[in-house]
Amino acid sequence: DGGITQSPKYLFRKEGQNVTLSCEQNLNHDAMYWYRQDPGQGLRLIYYSQIVNDFQKGDIAEGYSVSREKKESFPLTVTSAQKNPTAFYLCASSGGYPGLGYNEQFFGPGTRLTVL
Amino acid sequence: QKEVEQNSGPLSVPEGAIASLNCTYSDRGSQSFFWYRQYSGKSPELIMSIYSNGDKEDGRFTAQLNKASQYVSLLIRDSQPSDSATYLCAVNPPGGSYIPTFGRGTSLIVHP
Repeated sequence: DGGITQSPKYLFRKEGQNVTLSCEQNLNHDAMYWYRQDPGQGLRLIYYSQIVNDFQKGDIAEGYSVSREKKESFPLTVTSAQKNPTAFYLCASSGGYPGLGYNEQFFGPGTRLTVL
Repeated sequence: QKEVEQNSGPLSVPEGAIASLNCTYSDRGSQSFFWYRQYSGKSPELIMSIYSNGDKEDGRFTAQLNKASQYVSLLIRDSQPSDSATYLCAVNPPGGSYIPTFGRGTSLIVHP
């Protein structure tokens, strides 16, 4: 089964803690992305990576960090510097095969983070 | 500033009717357009991609693209209660970037 997995599904964090959200894909996609979604809001881009060992900041990167050491994996760390981290976090990937569908993004199931 | 605009709704239609969802975008050179369906509490699911002017049909779904007027629409024929969800429009900018801009979504309610 090809797809994108995210873990955990639910995560609770105490203030001042760093937490890491996992994202893995077996679609052989080149690019991976992290989005944040708040209730009633659109998707906001946190970080993206178009190739292994390279990543770029999105619109709201402050308080977050990522790594891309393997093509399949793109973990996101929510640091204590992120002041309002409670949100739904979505990982996506794209770019499996050349052609029109190359830039279609597919999403994982998401991680819901709550700060206690 | 790249913008993708959608009416937030909710759009309420009776079962069996045609639901029409609209999206306008500001970046004239955009080349790729996508519709996602997002059920409450779930992640977005890609349902349609369209790249050329005109209509593209897939089952009960039809995407319509008009680049001159900078809008893309999604028609859902024979709407079912299971179609009740938020529909997100996404637009890729020109220049080879694969970073789409998402609209905030339109909430669709299909009532029996």
